[in-house]
Amino acid sequence: EAQVTQNPRYLITVTGKKLTVTCSQNMNHEYMSWYRQDPGLGLRQIYYSMNVEVTDKGDVPEGYKVSRKEKRNFPLILESPSPNQTSLYFCASSLSGTGGIGEQYFGPGTRLTVT
Amino acid sequence: SQKIEQNSEALNIQEGKTATLTCNYTNYSPAYLQWYRQDPGRGPVFLLLIRENEKEKRKERLKVTFDTTLKQSLFHITASQPADSATYLCALMDSSYKLIFGSGTRLLVRP
Repeated sequence: EAQVTQNPRYLITVTGKKLTVTCSQNMNHEYMSWYRQDPGLGLRQIYYSMNVEVTDKGDVPEGYKVSRKEKRNFPLILESPSPNQTSLYFCASSLSGTGGIGEQYFGPGTRLTVT
Repeated sequence: SQKIEQNSEALNIQEGKTATLTCNYTNYSPAYLQWYRQDPGRGPVFLLLIRENEKEKRKERLKVTFDTTLKQSLFHITASQPADSATYLCALMDSSYKLIFGSGTRLLVRP
């Protein structure tokens, strides 16, 4: 089954404790992306990757890191989480080409709480 | 500044009627626009993509229009059903391959 998986689905952590949220897709998609979703603010892109070893900042990259060492995986790293990073996080993937980005397939989401 | 706007007020309609949702953007020249459906606590699900050279796209009961002069896309659901109740998001890609989402419009279809 074609899918995007994220782990963990729920996470409660404390300020400053490094964490990683994993994202994996089995569709051989070039483009992968991380979003956060907050009430009233909608989906905001954190980082995206056009392909292996190519990553770029989205609209809200501060406090986050990503890496794209393999095509299928795109982990999101919070080196020193703070309470303002409490949010619902989504990973997504899609095909991409000269015409742009195709339909995005989203993961189930990771609800992160930083106390 | 660049903006993509959707009506933040929920749209409340009677079953069987046509729902029309609006997506307006400023200071973008997108090659295409996408529409997604999102249910509470779940990831968005892709519905339709319309390119700048397409005026209209249809898929079953869904129809999307794209007016690059007005900088607006309209999303229609005909013969709406309570199961269509969800939040609908529009998204466009800027020139640097960033995908920008609107904040979404919640649709409520009353039986």
